[in-house]
Amino acid sequence: QSALTQPASVSGSPGQSITISCTGTSSDVGSYKFVSWYQQHPGKAPTLMISEVTKRPSGVSNRFSGSKSGNTASLTISGLQAEDEADYYCYSYAGSGTFGVFGGGTKLTVL
Amino acid sequence: QLQLQESGPGLVKPSETLSLTCAVSGYSISSGYFWGWIRQPPGKGLEWIGTFFHSGSTYYTPSLKSRVTISVDTSKNQFSLDLSSVTAADTAIYYCARQLQWAFDYWGQGTLVTVSS
Repeated sequence: QSALTQPASVSGSPGQSITISCTGTSSDVGSYKFVSWYQQHPGKAPTLMISEVTKRPSGVSNRFSGSKSGNTASLTISGLQAEDEADYYCYSYAGSGTFGVFGGGTKLTVL
Repeated sequence: QLQLQESGPGLVKPSETLSLTCAVSGYSISSGYFWGWIRQPPGKGLEWIGTFFHSGSTYYTPSLKSRVTISVDTSKNQFSLDLSSVTAADTAIYYCARQLQWAFDYWGQGTLVTVSS
């Protein structure tokens, strides 16, 4: 099972909005609602930002939102802040046999 | 407050078995949820290793399935990871986490395991 495809890097200025894509296949992202997104700061464990494509856990800023269209899921961060600079990973359930797969990760730089 | 804490040797020799334990506090793992292991080679991305359900079902990533075993000790409220025949490619930070609807909502701090002679 190949990793989900994410852009290696994205960047934006404070206050702007950015979107990170996560492209899979009809066997994973395209078939299930179980797509999640994680933020990871250097030297820290990942933190769940979005689950089940669009759900935001308690405590996560409403500047973070998720969506999905076909085989591609997306994470949008609005009103960029310096603290958003981190690595972001998507993850999708992939059905029986493979069960789960992460994206390769995207480094977000806040200019 | 749910907390997870990984523990185990930080150095393992090639061809040996890597064994890690995840101690859970603040929740009884026998009560429900899925529980999983994820790893991250230095400077690289995350890789899902495997998951178990409290009822005993286990799920492993295909590329590691032949070498991985996840087990649970409900009396100690902890679960374990065994990865056999390790090579340098298995050097990574290993995380344990709780899974809810296939999302990892609580993570341990991670433990670095280096495979080297």
